[in-house]
Amino acid sequence: ETGVTQTPRHLVMGMTNKKSLKCEQHLGHNAMYWYKQSAKKPLELMFVYSLEERVENNSVPSRFSPECPNSSHLFLHLHTLQPEDSALYLCASSLQTGPYEQYFGPGTRLTVT
Amino acid sequence: GENVEQHPSTLSVQEGDSAVIKCTYSDSASNYFPWYKQELGKRPQLIIDIRSNVGEKKDQRIAVTLNKTAKHFSLHITETQPEDSAVYFCAASEVAAGAQKLVFGQGTRLTINP
Repeated sequence: ETGVTQTPRHLVMGMTNKKSLKCEQHLGHNAMYWYKQSAKKPLELMFVYSLEERVENNSVPSRFSPECPNSSHLFLHLHTLQPEDSALYLCASSLQTGPYEQYFGPGTRLTVT
Repeated sequence: GENVEQHPSTLSVQEGDSAVIKCTYSDSASNYFPWYKQELGKRPQLIIDIRSNVGEKKDQRIAVTLNKTAKHFSLHITETQPEDSAVYFCAASEVAAGAQKLVFGQGTRLTINP
């Protein structure tokens, strides 16, 4: 399963650190997504990009900053996180935004200490 | 905005029996309803989907039904097998800011007992 890849797979960071999550899709898709998965909210949409333009920001705190330099790559820049931000962060892509299958990456397990 | 409710949160069935998971949605404009399966430690994967112009869709042991009037849809798994054990998520489409996105239910943890 190499359609959507994410790095790193695991990340431990302190509340004052700055780190970035990377997602790459090799499917020729035009839409990419960031989701947060936790016990409280199993699949919570954070950001949607269509053709490298952000089309949805689901009221996410500014300590999460997305970047989409091209249709194949998506980043999530993290700074001054809180312990409650610890979760699995999933990237997904689809042909376009709309009624299309979303292909998920394996996720990054983030722990904020 | 769209709100999706999924029930039950956990479901345990004997191998060979059927399992049914139900979801309701709030936005009558929603037109796409996928189901995703997430095995332990793995990524969610699409198993079946249905669009609003269809009432039922089958794929081997899996079927989905949609009642647009009542705004609910269900996943049916027949002749369950141990490998069906996973968390299942329903979703409904929502158009916001010119883009269609998915709103997911809370998930159902299905356990198949041998």
